[in-house]
Amino acid sequence: QKEVEQDPGPLSVPEGAIVSLNCTYSNSAFQYFMWYRQYSRKGPELLMYTYSSGNKEDGRFTAQVDKSSKYISLFIRDSQPSDSATYLCAFSSGNTPLVFGKGTRLSVIA
Amino acid sequence: GAVVSQHPSWVICKSGTSVKIECRSLDFQATTMFWYRQFPKQSLMLMATSNEGSKATYEQGVEKDKFLINHASLTLSTLTVTSAHPEDSSFYICSARGDRGGEAFFGQGTRLTVV
Repeated sequence: QKEVEQDPGPLSVPEGAIVSLNCTYSNSAFQYFMWYRQYSRKGPELLMYTYSSGNKEDGRFTAQVDKSSKYISLFIRDSQPSDSATYLCAFSSGNTPLVFGKGTRLSVIA
Repeated sequence: GAVVSQHPSWVICKSGTSVKIECRSLDFQATTMFWYRQFPKQSLMLMATSNEGSKATYEQGVEKDKFLINHASLTLSTLTVTSAHPEDSSFYICSARGDRGGEAFFGQGTRLTVV
């Protein structure tokens, strides 16, 4: 079983749609859950950071963590063309290196 | 979020020369820095982890004598690609994390082309 699984897409949605991105993981030691956005030829940008289970909202973005199911989600409301990027889920158990999903390529069509 | 500055953003060098990439944390102390390599349309590949004042820990298959990492202060880490060859051409990205662990912040990346 892979440590992290993330559907690579590509995912194409119309402008204004709600986007749902997901990752599953197998390592019970993960305590920190992150979502990064990466535009082409740029470094990843931290979007959401959650410690332990629960929901977190920031503007149009909502992150959910379900530790019992080992499943995390990122929702994007009212998606915009500027949201077109690769989204990476990332996990950490503390001071260890982040473990990344392979990334989901999202295109939001105007 | 915290700011990590990486320079240069792109560099072209001749085969056999060395290239140094700098990574600075501008508004926090980076107790740990990570260096990644990324090929087009692929995910990040961790090259090494460095803690301030300690030798870097390299991932399996990464040549430590070719990719020299220095983390001499809590705000600066450098990656030097020595005797560069065309196959070293890639996108290199640094990441920094503070002492509370958890999330890490990335630099803008450096596109290296070896001709």
